[in-house]
Amino acid sequence: QQKVQQSPESLIVPEGGMASLNCTSSDRNVDYFWWYRQHSGKSPKMLMSIFSNGEKEEGRFTVHLNKASLHTSLHIRDSQPSDSALYLCAASTGNTGKLIFGLGTTLQVQP
Amino acid sequence: EAAVTQSPRSKVAVTGGKVTLSCHQTNNHDYMYWYRQDTGHGLRLIHYSYVADSTEKGDIPDGYKASRPSQENFSLILELASLSQTAVYFCASTRESSYEQYFGPGTRLTVL
Repeated sequence: QQKVQQSPESLIVPEGGMASLNCTSSDRNVDYFWWYRQHSGKSPKMLMSIFSNGEKEEGRFTVHLNKASLHTSLHIRDSQPSDSALYLCAASTGNTGKLIFGLGTTLQVQP
Repeated sequence: EAAVTQSPRSKVAVTGGKVTLSCHQTNNHDYMYWYRQDTGHGLRLIHYSYVADSTEKGDIPDGYKASRPSQENFSLILELASLSQTAVYFCASTRESSYEQYFGPGTRLTVL
């Protein structure tokens, strides 16, 4: 069973709309969550990270974390066609630097 | 921005042959990682390293060896390549464990 579960598997939103992506870990030792974006044929690049309860905003991207439920969500407002990509959630524990990735959410933004 | 390069970018290998994938970073990062990406399995950690001349097993190390001869270089070795090892392989590096991982461009490996 995947230790990091993402939903939905795929998502279609209109240009200018809001995209909401979810991620939950089943490992109680997780202390850091990461969101990576991977365009088709490219390598993953980090979007945002969060380790404290609450919310963090950077431009059009907002990430939430509930440490009690080990649930994080990524929200993209004013979605653009260039946001179309695979979004990967990853979790890390302790100081090993090891990341456990979910299977990802494929986002398609339709013009 | 952090620079991680991989070679080759693509390779076709025969079953039972030896394959070496190379990774080089110029960012003075201590931590380096090898992942494979497959449809339906996401990104999975194969081997990683905290320091030169030392490697650690990741989550799926069977069938793979790793070598870290210097801080800048990290290799992944498939001694006896198998069909199931067809995948895209990514190398990544980071300065410390709680920092952003920077990924290389990937190597597409096809084993026939």
